Amino acid sequence: GEDVEQSLFLSVREGDSSVINCTYTDSSSTYLYWYKQEPGAGLQLLTYIFSNMDMKQDQRLTVLLNKKDKHLSLRIADTQTGDSAIYFCAENYGGYQKVTFGTGTKLQVIP
Amino acid sequence: EAGVTQFPSHSVIEKGQTVTLRCDPISGHDNLYWYRRVMGKEIKFLLHFVKESKQDESGMPNNRFLAERTGGTYSTLKVQPAELEDSGVYFCASSRGEGYSPLHFGNGTRLTVT
Repeated sequence: GEDVEQSLFLSVREGDSSVINCTYTDSSSTYLYWYKQEPGAGLQLLTYIFSNMDMKQDQRLTVLLNKKDKHLSLRIADTQTGDSAIYFCAENYGGYQKVTFGTGTKLQVIP
Repeated sequence: EAGVTQFPSHSVIEKGQTVTLRCDPISGHDNLYWYRRVMGKEIKFLLHFVKESKQDESGMPNNRFLAERTGGTYSTLKVQPAELEDSGVYFCASSRGEGYSPLHFGNGTRLTVT
């Protein structure tokens, strides 16, 4: 089976960096994703990384992938109150972007 | 372009009743997926359409759930009869048919069965 695990909660102060971690089990994953869900909204694709990459940076977001340890992380630099949301790590398997999601990490940004 | 839209946004029904959820994918997206998140647990795959055909329905929990995508446009997910454990948020997503294309999700339908 496929499992994706995340810590449930993270609290940071505004302006600090946030690091959300995720571990997955399917070594055949092709893509790994980070989705953001704000209250009452759908799942917004933040970024994704191909399994043959180690790092991807997009403005304030940095994704690190350690394939050996099956560990994925999302770093948000200069965290803002608008970053408060639930962040889901996900991996694809079985083609057609059929993905497995983690339980989500609730990020709370303290002003 | 308009995003994935789902209707209703929230539904409260009694155990044993029927509910139909609707999803309108992004225009031109051949792939349509249903996912659900139950009781704050993981978001789980339910099924996948390619145009009007069911490509994979391995995640459908039981035969009380029926999904259709007539004409390959919008999709409906019917729960009949609804049980308490069906409560959760049902998400729809769509993606283009060719090459790699990320999933675009709707806002979800929150279903509460009492």
